Amino acid sequence: NAGVTQTPKFQVLKTGQSMTLQCAQDMNHEYMSWYRQDPGMGLRLIHYSVGAGITDQGEVPNGYNVSRSTTEDFPLRLLSAAPSQTSVYFCASSNPYEQYFGPGTRLTVT
Amino acid sequence: AQTVTQSQPEMSVQEAETVTLSCTYDTSESNYYLFWYKQPPSRQMILVIRQEAYKQQNATENRFSVNFQKAAKSFSLKISDSQLGDTAMYFCAFMKLRSFYNTDKLIFGTGTRLQVFP
Repeated sequence: NAGVTQTPKFQVLKTGQSMTLQCAQDMNHEYMSWYRQDPGMGLRLIHYSVGAGITDQGEVPNGYNVSRSTTEDFPLRLLSAAPSQTSVYFCASSNPYEQYFGPGTRLTVT
Repeated sequence: AQTVTQSQPEMSVQEAETVTLSCTYDTSESNYYLFWYKQPPSRQMILVIRQEAYKQQNATENRFSVNFQKAAKSFSLKISDSQLGDTAMYFCAFMKLRSFYNTDKLIFGTGTRLQVFP
């Protein structure tokens, strides 16, 4: 039981490049979400999904896309990276009582 | 909209002493959960303790306990017998509970950096 896994752990992008952050969970949770963590601002919700085929926007969705084709996977796509997207990204999956976080991806956009 | 406020950006405590981290929140919901998460330098988010709003009894997990004041919308974390391994960022978080099968998103505070020194 690996819980929530994220890849990569670190990534450096140039402005304008695109990439996908991968997230997978093996707990059969319906609810998954993506957060970004910036210094002094806590974690903020980017997008979330309540089940396969269903996604919705969170607090800071601009510049990001998500899809949920399976219960296990919830990738986050950066369409055209900008320096403002430099952050640490966390994926989480949850049961009705608790959210379980992945180890995070540190992304730097130059 | 819900908000979570942590007014102490940094705290320090001596090993074996007790420290209390403050958290206040604002909501019009009646059914919700409150959490304290610990984030050590490894950046992994670790659940410390959870409180259900409908429970009057304060949650306790070993050296960690909360003081939940629902009317005052206050949710403080007390760490007893502080250890060097408690050094971390601590985040307070709120989660509205829509239904048993469908949880809502977490709303985080900005965090309190706790330093435990020998």
